[in-house]
Amino acid sequence: NAGVTQTPKFQVLKTGQSMTLQCAQDMNHNSMYWYRQDPGMGLRLIYYSASEGTTDKGEVPNGYNVSRLNKREFSLRLESAAPSQTSVYFCASSEARGATGETQYFGPGTRLLVL
Amino acid sequence: KQEVTQIPAALSVPEGENLVLNCSFTDSAIYNLQWFRQDPGKGLTSLLLIQSSQREQTSGRLNASLDKSSGRSTLYIAASQPGDSATYLCAVIPSAGANSKLTFGKGITLSVRP
Repeated sequence: NAGVTQTPKFQVLKTGQSMTLQCAQDMNHNSMYWYRQDPGMGLRLIYYSASEGTTDKGEVPNGYNVSRLNKREFSLRLESAAPSQTSVYFCASSEARGATGETQYFGPGTRLLVL
Repeated sequence: KQEVTQIPAALSVPEGENLVLNCSFTDSAIYNLQWFRQDPGKGLTSLLLIQSSQREQTSGRLNASLDKSSGRSTLYIAASQPGDSATYLCAVIPSAGANSKLTFGKGITLSVRP
């Protein structure tokens, strides 16, 4: 049981390049989330998916797109990377509202540097 | 808009001390509150979750309390150890239609000196 996995662990991009961050969970959770963590700003929600087939914007969605490929996988795409997107990106998952606890489980993070 | 505040941003204590980490939130209408631990360069690990109907939760040396009416939560760490050194974050989920969207505080970085 690996929990939440993310790839890659670290990436360097040039301004304007595109990339997709991958996330998968093996806990049969319905809900999945993408956050970014920046010094002095804390963790902010980018996008979330309440269930397979649905996605919705969080606090800072501009410049990103997401795909809920299936129940296990939730990817985050940067179409044209900007230096302001330099950050640490975390994926998380949880059971649907109403289940026990609503604890969110986090992946190890992807460190992205945009030059 | 819900805001979560954790003060101070950093704390250094000698080993063995009992300590309290504070978290305050502006909107008392919350579904639950979670405390997380984050080690340098790592992801977040959930420590304790308190439902809105509960007043506290305990796990080992950790005890988290919740006072919705005053918009406060505390994480009590008993007999602190150097291994407790990490950043501790609290997060709340609003009550209505939030689809589990957590609002995080910026965290308290704890250093426990041997």
